[in-house]
Order: sequence, then C-alpha cells, then structure tokens
Amino acid sequence: DIQMTQSPSTLSASVGDRVIITCRVSQNINNWLAWYQQKPGKAPNVLIYKTSNLKSGVPSRFSGSGSGTEFTLTISSLQPDDFATYYCQQYNSYSLFTFGPGTKVDIK
Amino acid sequence: EVQLVESGGALVQPGGSLRLSCAASGWTFSTYWMSWVRQAPGKGLEWVANIKEDGSEKYYVDSVKGRFTISRDNAKNSLYLQMNSLRAEDTALYYCARGGLQGASDLWGQGTMVSVSS
Repeated sequence: DIQMTQSPSTLSASVGDRVIITCRVSQNINNWLAWYQQKPGKAPNVLIYKTSNLKSGVPSRFSGSGSGTEFTLTISSLQPDDFATYYCQQYNSYSLFTFGPGTKVDIK
Repeated sequence: EVQLVESGGALVQPGGSLRLSCAASGWTFSTYWMSWVRQAPGKGLEWVANIKEDGSEKYYVDSVKGRFTISRDNAKNSLYLQMNSLRAEDTALYYCARGGLQGASDLWGQGTMVSVSS
C-alpha cells in the first residue's frame, strides 16, 4: 500500500495570502501526483497533474512542485473562489490510486 | 456537451446488490481509462476501481475486491460498477471519472448516492 499524508489538515487564510499545502507519499511515485479542488456539494476538479502541470483553464496562481516523496501545492494569492478542500492523489500505477486525506482552506 | 452522468444509486440493505451506471457523452469514451471514486458523507475521496480502455485490465481497492466489478460497454459509451455483498461502510457518493490527463481524472460526473442500511 501507498500511504499519503497532507499538511495542514485545515488552513485558515485571508484573501491575498500565499498558501502552501504539502503532500507526502510513502514511496517513490515517479512524480505521478495530481491536485484536486473540491467545493461543498460538487465533484472534484483537477488543478495540477504530473506534479507541476497546470490543467488548461486553471488560474496561474496555482502551482505544483516536488519530487520523490514530497510535493506541494502553492496558491500565490488566495482568492475568494479558492476556499475549498484540496486533495493530492498519486497515480503511479493504474493498479492502485490513492488520495490524500485532504486540506480544508477556510476564511480566517 | 462533454459530460459523465451517473445513475443507479439507492438505499439497499446490508448484503444486497446494486449496479451503478455512468453514461459518457461528447467525447470518445473508448480511448480513455475510467475510474470509480467514492466519498463517504463528510469524508475524503477514495479510489475504488480502474478499467482500461478496452476493458482488458481492471483494478480495485482492497476493501472491495471480490465484491465489486467494474465493466464498460464502449458501444454504449457506458461504465458500470456492480456492487455485491454491500456493507454499511460502502455508503458513499460514487463518482465516475475519466483518466484524461496522463492518468489524472480530468472529467467527473455529479455522483450517485449509495446508502447501505437496514
């Protein structure tokens, strides 16, 4: 099994803040890591794939980085629309996908 | 319109069975891996199963192996999840998702709710 952790589990921030969420994976996933945003009552929406690739149409204030077993999602200047829960996901092999436990970003 | 639409969710008794469906439209269904992902009420996302474009490979999370079966009908642009021996812990909103970004899920349905309770 691949274990995943995210920190923090909850983050209180203000509009305009720089926000960093960390995802740690228990083994090498060859950078096959994605980040999803989910708002209440809605399906998840992918923001970043393969660690640092921004999905078309996603604002450039979102960025991803990392390698090996530690990855980060950065929101350079938090906007009102960004208050949501964020999940990392490893997809190194189609035989096993795993999501992180999530990070809720709420209003400070 | 490019979309996925799930159906088939219901209230079912423990030990019962249910078949979920996911209808794809607006894109070439047969060229993508597909997934089922579930979310228990108030909880995080859990990957359930994957199926290859032609249905020749199928993979499951350990907790559903031997009970759930993922399948697809490319002629009908449809994905399925047959769920047997249902347990209370299978209660969740079930999403189907397309693996369109080098495997990452780039298109999701709205979800269909499965409740397992007596």
